[in-house]
Order: sequence, then C-alpha cells, then structure tokens
Amino acid sequence: EAQVTQNPRYLITVTGKKLTVTCSQNMNHEYMSWYRQDPGLGLRQIYYSMNVEVTDKGDVPEGYKVSRKEKRNFPLILESPSPNQTSLYFCASSSSTGGGSPLHFGNGTRLTVT
Amino acid sequence: AQSVSQHNHHVILSEAASLELGCNYSYGGTVNLFWYVQYPGQHLQLLLKYFSGDPLVKGIKGFEAEFIKSKFSFNLRKPSVQWSDTAEYFCAVIGNTDKLIFGTGTRLQVFP
Repeated sequence: EAQVTQNPRYLITVTGKKLTVTCSQNMNHEYMSWYRQDPGLGLRQIYYSMNVEVTDKGDVPEGYKVSRKEKRNFPLILESPSPNQTSLYFCASSSSTGGGSPLHFGNGTRLTVT
Repeated sequence: AQSVSQHNHHVILSEAASLELGCNYSYGGTVNLFWYVQYPGQHLQLLLKYFSGDPLVKGIKGFEAEFIKSKFSFNLRKPSVQWSDTAEYFCAVIGNTDKLIFGTGTRLQVFP
C-alpha cells in the first residue's frame, strides 16, 4: 500500500532533549516536506527536499533540522526542543514539485514539549 | 508574496444544507489549486484539484470547486452536506515559486 509513515504518533518530551521524528515513503517520490499545524495558522512548511541530499528551508525552519540521505526517508530533528514547538507535525511527499502531483500526507505526530 | 485566504474559520450546518467555503489567493499568474480535507484525528487528503481546462472541477464525495480567475477565487461547494463531512478543509495554491501555500483552514461541523 502506498503510504507515508511517520513515527511516533504521539511524543511528550522536555525542553532541551533532542528528538527525531521519522518519515518514510514507499512511492519513490522525489519531493518530501515537513509541515507543522497550529490552530488558526493552518499548515506552515518547515523544510522540504527536492531530492536526495537536497534540502531547503520552508517558512518556519528555526529550531529544526532535516536530512535526506536516502530517497525514502526524511527525518525531522529537533536538537533542543522548546515549548513553542509543541504542535502537530505532518510529513508529506509527492512525485514532483510545481503542483504537478498532489501531496500524500503521513498520519501526523503530535508533539508536546514541557 | 503568494498567499491564500479562507475567510470562513468555522462553519456550522445541519445535514442536507448546502455548503460553500471561500478561498481567495493573491498570485496573478498561472496557478494550480487544491482543496484538502482533514477528518478528525486523521491526516490531510486531497479532495480535488484544478490545473487547467474546465474551471468547474469535481472531486470526491460530491464536492466541487469553481475557479474564477477574475476573482482570484476557488470556492468549494457541496449541494447537500452529511454528518460525515465534518472535518477541516484547507485550500492550497502553487504559483510561480513551485511552493504549495496553504490557507488557515475552515472547520466544518455538520449536525444531524
């Protein structure tokens, strides 16, 4: 089944403790992206990747890192999480950029930083 | 800069009522337009999309949207909503930046 898999679904952590949210897609998609969803703000893009070893900042990249060593994986790293990073995170992928293909989303990761 | 506005933040309807959710975008060139739906506790799913051609596009579950270039709008419609349509709806646009911009979402609640 074609899908985008994120783990974990729920995560509670403390300020400053490094964490990684994994994202994997099995559709051989070139484009992958991370979004955070906050009430009243919709989805805001954190980072995206056009292909392996190519990553770029989105609208809200501060406090986050990503890597794209393999085509299928695009982990999101929070080196020193802070409470303002408490949010719902979605990973997404598509076969191309430029709007040619719609995004496929993962099931989300609800992160709470205390 | 490109932007997307969804002016209805929260819409409450009874079953069988008609629905129209507004979406306006700010980019004047060629755009690709999308509506995504997020059911409670789930991820976003594509509802419908417009790339070119007939400005009235039909999506899944009886939804449709009309692209009106002169009004920079892409409103979502459904003639008769059901309780199962309760969800959050996001309009999104891609312009010349190849970047998908989402609106802030409209929460729809349908009561039986």
